[in-house]
Amino acid sequence: AQKITQTQPGMFVQEKEAVTLDCTYDTSDPSYGLFWYKQPSSGEMIFLIYQGSYDQQNATEGRYSLNFQKARKSANLVISASQLGDSAMYFCAMREGGRNQGGKLIFGQGTELSVKP
Amino acid sequence: NAGVTQTPKFRVLKTGQSMTLLCAQDMNHEYMYWYRQDPGMGLRLIHYSVGEGTTAKGEVPDGYNVSRLKKQNFLLGLESAAPSQTSVYFCASSPLGGSINIQYFGAGTRLSVL
Repeated sequence: AQKITQTQPGMFVQEKEAVTLDCTYDTSDPSYGLFWYKQPSSGEMIFLIYQGSYDQQNATEGRYSLNFQKARKSANLVISASQLGDSAMYFCAMREGGRNQGGKLIFGQGTELSVKP
Repeated sequence: NAGVTQTPKFRVLKTGQSMTLLCAQDMNHEYMYWYRQDPGMGLRLIHYSVGEGTTAKGEVPDGYNVSRLKKQNFLLGLESAAPSQTSVYFCASSPLGGSINIQYFGAGTRLSVL
């Protein structure tokens, strides 16, 4: 069965430092997609970054990068130069099957990141 | 741009009451989804739709019904609310086609069932 695991319930990082949020996944489908979303205290879900299972390069979006290790089934989010506004809940998610199967997402339990000034 | 709009934002129900949550998107997306988020947990899929007039069950469908009569709207109904349905409900939409299918979320509806 498909599953997403985030083992860090909470993380602290000093402002301007880099931080890695862990995500491991389990699937038998060769075609899948991995997503990271940010949920600030206001509650909305904000898309950050995407990695496809066939993508050769690790995804990057500004200060966000995804450390994709396919053999280890891990898709860790790296945030460089942390800012106070990065304090939020972060969710890793996996799309089940191909996009023609409805694009359903399975979410991990989340990691709460706190950035210290 | 409005994106995905959920109404209402907050609601308190008594056990056994019914209600409908409305989700509207203005991005012409084919796919729409309803999730629930409970404390300390990620989002879990309730129902979803791959197009107007179609619906399908997700991971936790019991106690909920949905309808997609118009492409832009996806309604979530609770026929007889139970305290276990106290949660934050999120609607999302995504386009058909493309290689990524990012889901765009509404702001959420906080529901309390007493």
